[in-house]
Amino acid sequence: SQQGEEDPQALSIQEGENATMNCSYKTSINNLQWYRQNSGRGLVHLILIRSNEREKHSGRLRVTLDTSKKSSSLLITASRAADTASYFCATDAGGAQKLVFGQGTRLTINP
Amino acid sequence: NAGVTQTPKFQVLKTGQSMTLQCAQDMNHEYMSWYRQDPGMGLRLIHYSVGAGITDQGEVPNGYNVSRSTTEDFPLRLLSAAPSQTSVYFCATRLAGGRETQYFGPGTRLLVL
Repeated sequence: SQQGEEDPQALSIQEGENATMNCSYKTSINNLQWYRQNSGRGLVHLILIRSNEREKHSGRLRVTLDTSKKSSSLLITASRAADTASYFCATDAGGAQKLVFGQGTRLTINP
Repeated sequence: NAGVTQTPKFQVLKTGQSMTLQCAQDMNHEYMSWYRQDPGMGLRLIHYSVGAGITDQGEVPNGYNVSRSTTEDFPLRLLSAAPSQTSVYFCATRLAGGRETQYFGPGTRLLVL
């Protein structure tokens, strides 16, 4: 079963606006990762946040983790057309060797 | 440094045919894995390997075999293809000993008729 559940399933915003995606999971984790997938391509790692961290930044990306609520959010600020992609969260809740992915959020940035 | 490569990029099979999807990496990563991605869904783990000679099952292993004779290669075999195996297959690698970043190949799109 899918451990991570992203919300919303699809998001469409104007270029320059901020985009927020959420991920919820069911069991305890050691870390949570976010990946981006451009249409027809493989996944690209964006950021990893550990269970003892609450917030992490990387360029225009900001990730938060709330282990008490078993949820994480990915914020993309000042969105660009090139940010159009699907975004997936993944956790190690399946075990140390089993990264479990959510169904993804499809983000569209309109020019 | 090619990273993670997968061949073929696209394949059409008839039900019952067999084939092997190839995955190779030049990053000396101990851990390699195979995922399948179906429309509107995330990735589901098929099989994984923590090093040469060691493989284990993931979430959806039925209908697939793997072997790991070298660090570089991790082929995925479909012995008797079924339409339910129509999917996009991704190989991923990472360093062992941690739950770190995975590096994904470009994928193989498989259509089983």
